[in-house]
Amino acid sequence: SQTIHQWPATLVQPVGSPLSLECTVEGTSNPNLYWYRQAAGRGLQLLFYSVGIGQISSEVPQNLSASRPQDRQFILSSKKLLLSDSGFYLCAWSGPTNEQFFGPGTRLTVL
Amino acid sequence: KNEVEQSPQNLTAQEGEFITINCSYSVGISALHWLQQHPGGGIVSLFMLSSGKKKHGRLIATINIQEKHSSLHITASHPRDSAVYICAVPSSITGSARQLTFGSGTQLTVLP
Repeated sequence: SQTIHQWPATLVQPVGSPLSLECTVEGTSNPNLYWYRQAAGRGLQLLFYSVGIGQISSEVPQNLSASRPQDRQFILSSKKLLLSDSGFYLCAWSGPTNEQFFGPGTRLTVL
Repeated sequence: KNEVEQSPQNLTAQEGEFITINCSYSVGISALHWLQQHPGGGIVSLFMLSSGKKKHGRLIATINIQEKHSSLHITASHPRDSAVYICAVPSSITGSARQLTFGSGTQLTVLP
């Protein structure tokens, strides 16, 4: 069966520091991969999605970037975090049916 | 771009009650998703449906494509059903079905 992992689970970082969040999927090949952010009290916002290795589409201009170095690995990065980057970050994958399956999430607090 | 509205925003029920959560969207879609977000933040996909009705245990999801409306029903509600329920639809009729627009969610609290 398919599983999706995210780490770390929680993260507290100072403003201006770099960020790297990792997501990996097991049990499937060539998944579509997604990064979402949920700010406090807000709905889910799609940040990036990828249909294959090295293929990244950005939905919202920001100081975040994403990379997909391997088929089942998706990384969310920032060179310098802002206070407004605080939130709950979710990775998800989908297959041919387009049903999306979510990871456990990373709660990021920028101080 | 598709607009999604959910109602109610908050819902408190007594254990055993029948629950209905509604979702309306503005642009025709291929499928609608219902998700459940637990207090810890984890999200579970409950249903993806494109027509008619789907049932899983005590959960029932219906969709009316012509009216651009879907409902999620919970029969014999239980405190463990307390969560945020989110509907999501493709962002546009011409865009990829992979890109979703999410409703703001319905916070359900079921009291014992």
